[in-house]
Amino acid sequence: DVKVTQSSRYLVKRTGEKVFLECVQDMDHENMFWYRQDPGLGLRLIYFSYDVKMKEKGDIPEGYSVSREKKERFSLILESASTNQTSMYLCASKFSSPTIYEQYFGPGTRLTVT
Amino acid sequence: AQKITQTQPGMFVQEKEAVTLDCTYDTSDPSYGLFWYKQPSSGEMIFLIYQGSYDQQNATEGRYSLNFQKARKSANLVISASQLGDSAMYFCAMNRAGTALIFGKGTTLSVSS
Repeated sequence: DVKVTQSSRYLVKRTGEKVFLECVQDMDHENMFWYRQDPGLGLRLIYFSYDVKMKEKGDIPEGYSVSREKKERFSLILESASTNQTSMYLCASKFSSPTIYEQYFGPGTRLTVT
Repeated sequence: AQKITQTQPGMFVQEKEAVTLDCTYDTSDPSYGLFWYKQPSSGEMIFLIYQGSYDQQNATEGRYSLNFQKARKSANLVISASQLGDSAMYFCAMNRAGTALIFGKGTTLSVSS
């Protein structure tokens, strides 16, 4: 079974802190994604990576950065957390082949910034 | 720009009844894929069904079927014989450039006994 794990299910941080959200997948997927989920807005793409050290901005990259030093790990970084970054964060991964379409999601990290 | 629209914030159905969750999409790409995901209260995203834009037949997976009407740009999810465990949030999504997904805002389905 494909497994995508995220470092924390729940996280509470203070405004201004640097926050790291980690995502690890065990299926050798090339593509990895970070989404943010807010009520009434669905899931929105923050960043994605199509290979090691490669990244692309998504729809809402402001206030976030990412790191992908190893194929299995994709980190989301909040340089200086703000209260409007309180949200559910979901990581996903998939093979790069366009004929293999399914994205596999992690369990999510519910981040609260106070 | 690509867009997914789900106009039903909430739907209510009784056990064993069928229910249709609406989804319309907008894209200028000739090749695209449409997805439905289920998100229970526990939060994980569960893949349900996929329809490719060139697929001739509507996709089916067990009790789930996707009613794909290309000319109308709609991709409705039909759940037959609803069960209590079907109560969840349902998201329609479309892939862009073969990679990331664009999601609708979701529909909350409540199944009662």
